[in-house]
Amino acid sequence: EAGVTQFPSHSVIEKGQTVTLRCDPISGHDNLYWYRRVMGKEIKFLLHFVKESKQDESGMPNNRFLAERTGGTYSTLKVQPAELEDSGVYFCASSHFRAGEGYEQYFGPGTRLTVT
Amino acid sequence: DAKTTQPPSMDCAEGRAANLPCNHSTISGNEYVYWYRQIHSQGPQYIIHGLKNNETNEMASLIITEDRKSSTLILPHATLRDTAVYYCIVRVALGGNNRKLIWGLGTSLAVNP
Repeated sequence: EAGVTQFPSHSVIEKGQTVTLRCDPISGHDNLYWYRRVMGKEIKFLLHFVKESKQDESGMPNNRFLAERTGGTYSTLKVQPAELEDSGVYFCASSHFRAGEGYEQYFGPGTRLTVT
Repeated sequence: DAKTTQPPSMDCAEGRAANLPCNHSTISGNEYVYWYRQIHSQGPQYIIHGLKNNETNEMASLIITEDRKSSTLILPHATLRDTAVYYCIVRVALGGNNRKLIWGLGTSLAVNP
């Protein structure tokens, strides 16, 4: 089966501009997560969707970040306006409960965002 | 905040067992220990997880101490392709099917020929 895909792989924007990251989860996975790693820091949870609903957005840094998952398929994460401290790698993961396997999260390759 | 601590780096000879330690002294009773790894420029890859019993799969073994305050990931016969950053993670269950992963900084494992 196809894995989690993310687009773009790398984005370079200027401070104040807008960027939209996209994540396509594994087909059939209801759970979709966004994580971020800022340089030198640990990977941090941002938010969790169940289908199209936000289950937990406690990790979102501030209101410049907007995540959507219309129709419960792919998700977008928009940063508007971008600031220098938003630079980092943004990971998307998806999961689906399977008896005997639990909720293992499968990660995409990440989007490297650089704000200059 | 991170719930795990790991050594920042380790070396291992190819073909030997790699034993990666992790401390999680504040883990709660319903929180699982997960291990992921990240090979350069790829996304994190799931390895194994456990609650209190030792676990083994085709990739690795996980040994969890009886008090659950620490664990060890064992790669029985490390290869050069196992060179990666290994993350010991506590998975928090928040109700429903929300399973948030709390990451540490990981251990950078170098497998040497």
